[in-house]
Amino acid sequence: GQNIDQPTEMTATEGAIVQINCTYQTSGFNGLFWYQQHAGEAPTFLSYNVLDGLEEKGRFSSFLSRSKGYSYLLLKELQMKDSASYLCAVMDSNYQLIWGAGTKLIIKP
Amino acid sequence: EAQVTQNPRYLITVTGKKLTVTCSQNMNHEYMSWYRQDPGLGLRQIYYSMNVEVTDKGDVPEGYKVSRKEKRNFPLILESPSPNQTSLYFCASSSLPGQGADTQYFGPGTRLTVL
Repeated sequence: GQNIDQPTEMTATEGAIVQINCTYQTSGFNGLFWYQQHAGEAPTFLSYNVLDGLEEKGRFSSFLSRSKGYSYLLLKELQMKDSASYLCAVMDSNYQLIWGAGTKLIIKP
Repeated sequence: EAQVTQNPRYLITVTGKKLTVTCSQNMNHEYMSWYRQDPGLGLRQIYYSMNVEVTDKGDVPEGYKVSRKEKRNFPLILESPSPNQTSLYFCASSSLPGQGADTQYFGPGTRLTVL
């Protein structure tokens, strides 16, 4: 079966750095996505990785290793507004998106 | 403004009463999806469509139907809703995978309660 694993919840301090990991097992691979979702709202796009390596976008970076079935989302200089759930999703060979259950990130002052 | 719209935003209905949730996008996207989101389970894809008249089952298609007669619209139909379909539903659209702009744009969500 297809599976995406990410931690259920993480806590970090304002101004710090946090890394959210995602491991996956899917039927084929057509890219990995990270989304941010605030409670009660729709997910919003953060990053897309299809090749191995690090993609940097301001305070957020995303890394992919296809051979290891592994990705992480790195958030720097954490702000209180970064408190949200972070969703990892993989597009399989049939172009179906498989989603992880999400990681709830709690930021403390 | 580029957007995905869904209607209604909130709906309370009773078991067995057919309903349709509409979804429309104005970005000329080929790829459209429906998801349901339940606590602790994350987003689960119900159906997706790669283009007009092309639809495929996602992870949880049972009890749902979709149609894609026009590129911009992708309605979700519950022929005979049951309480286990109480959930938060999202519609999303994007250009075709691998064609550069793979960002999924999500609608605002429809909170459905089936009594």
